[in-house]
Amino acid sequence: EVQLVESGGGLVQPGGSLRLSCSASGFTFSSYAMHWVRQAPGKGLKYVSGISSNGDSTYYADSVKGRFTISRDNSKNTVYLQMSSLRAEDSLIYYCIKGGGSGWSALYAFDFWGQGTVVTVSS
Amino acid sequence: EIVLTQSPGTLSLSPGERATLSCRASQSVSSSYLAWYQQKPGQAPRLFIYAASSRAAGIPDRFSGSGSGTDFTLTISRLEPEDFAVYYCQQYGSSPRTFGQGTKVEIK
Repeated sequence: EVQLVESGGGLVQPGGSLRLSCSASGFTFSSYAMHWVRQAPGKGLKYVSGISSNGDSTYYADSVKGRFTISRDNSKNTVYLQMSSLRAEDSLIYYCIKGGGSGWSALYAFDFWGQGTVVTVSS
Repeated sequence: EIVLTQSPGTLSLSPGERATLSCRASQSVSSSYLAWYQQKPGQAPRLFIYAASSRAAGIPDRFSGSGSGTDFTLTISRLEPEDFAVYYCQQYGSSPRTFGQGTKVEIK
């Protein structure tokens, strides 16, 4: 059974940093791209970032480019989202998602999601 | 970036009724790479339909998807109590992947 468990969310001050982690199990982690999507509670979904199965290729939404960094450790079956220069508008639920292929751009719908971790940016 | 517009914003229906949800794209969605997700309060979205009309694993056949190009539809033939939720469409044929703003199906 595929399981994705996010952690690392919490309260951080504006301008601060936070690292989200997503621990994966139930599939061959090193064979699949991974993604992050975020959502304001009760609001719509926004794609944030993706990383290829070997970590060589990444993608960022314009809204986080230069501030967020996605990475992965295939030996630990974990994908990370390092967030810096955080703003109030980054206060969202962050979901980790298993990709359907090895590339972040592989044309698959998102079939497995974690339960999400909440980030709150406030002074 | 492809903008997806869902309508209506809220659909008020009774169990047993038919629900028709619309998703319109600002430009053609490549090869019908269009998905539908269901989300219930406090839960992550769940994939229901991919490739515009294919049901994901475990999704009952009262759910059907159709459409191509810029116009897509999710139909629930007869609403069950567990179907009342928010539904999002997503295009994954071009980057960035984008989502619609959601349609809430509520009990009338």
